[in-house]
Amino acid sequence: NAGVTQTPKFQVLKTGQSMTLQCAQDMNHEYMSWYRQDPGMGLRLIHYSVGAGITDQGEVPNGYNVSRSTTEDFPLRLLSAAPSQTSVYFCASSYSSPGQGYRQPQHFGDGTRLSIL
Amino acid sequence: GQQVMQIPQYQHVQEGEDFTTYCNSSTTLSNIQWYKQRPGGHPVFLIQLVKSGEVKKQKRLTFQFGEAKKNSSLHITATQTTDVGTYFCAGTPGNQFYFGTGTSLTVIP
Repeated sequence: NAGVTQTPKFQVLKTGQSMTLQCAQDMNHEYMSWYRQDPGMGLRLIHYSVGAGITDQGEVPNGYNVSRSTTEDFPLRLLSAAPSQTSVYFCASSYSSPGQGYRQPQHFGDGTRLSIL
Repeated sequence: GQQVMQIPQYQHVQEGEDFTTYCNSSTTLSNIQWYKQRPGGHPVFLIQLVKSGEVKKQKRLTFQFGEAKKNSSLHITATQTTDVGTYFCAGTPGNQFYFGTGTSLTVIP
């Protein structure tokens, strides 16, 4: 199993450009999410999905779009890149929760290091 | 704003000393998870606590969940250089995972 695969690993963009960060998992996980990690800020949730066809906003969704057409893929789109979006982006997945209060562990990809000039 | 706060942000210890990081939430959490991220790596799941007052141990690591389910702690006894990294807590009010700001641990040999 490859687990959670993110591409690309590194990317440099110019302000105003658009791009898509790819995320794929081969574990048949229903729950997928995107985070950005900035120094001193921890991991902040951008968007998440509880299953194919269902997405929802996290803490910091502005400037990003997502879609979930299949269980395996959860791409993150930057519509018009801004320097404030320079960050490390992580995709994560997990099984849905089977019961009250218990959540399955999240499995993270290796991250995409994105710089916007 | 940030719903889960962690302190301290940074901690430097001599190898063999103990280390503790604290996680505090503004809301009651249904559970708390702890992750470790090595420098340059991605977060890796360590453990989950669900019950009020729960205590779990993994070798030198002790995890606690507060009685009110609003705070948690991770204690490492006799740190080793392999403990270096950033430790995150993550709480789930609802469907969202809120990660804490993290505590970066440096162990001086």
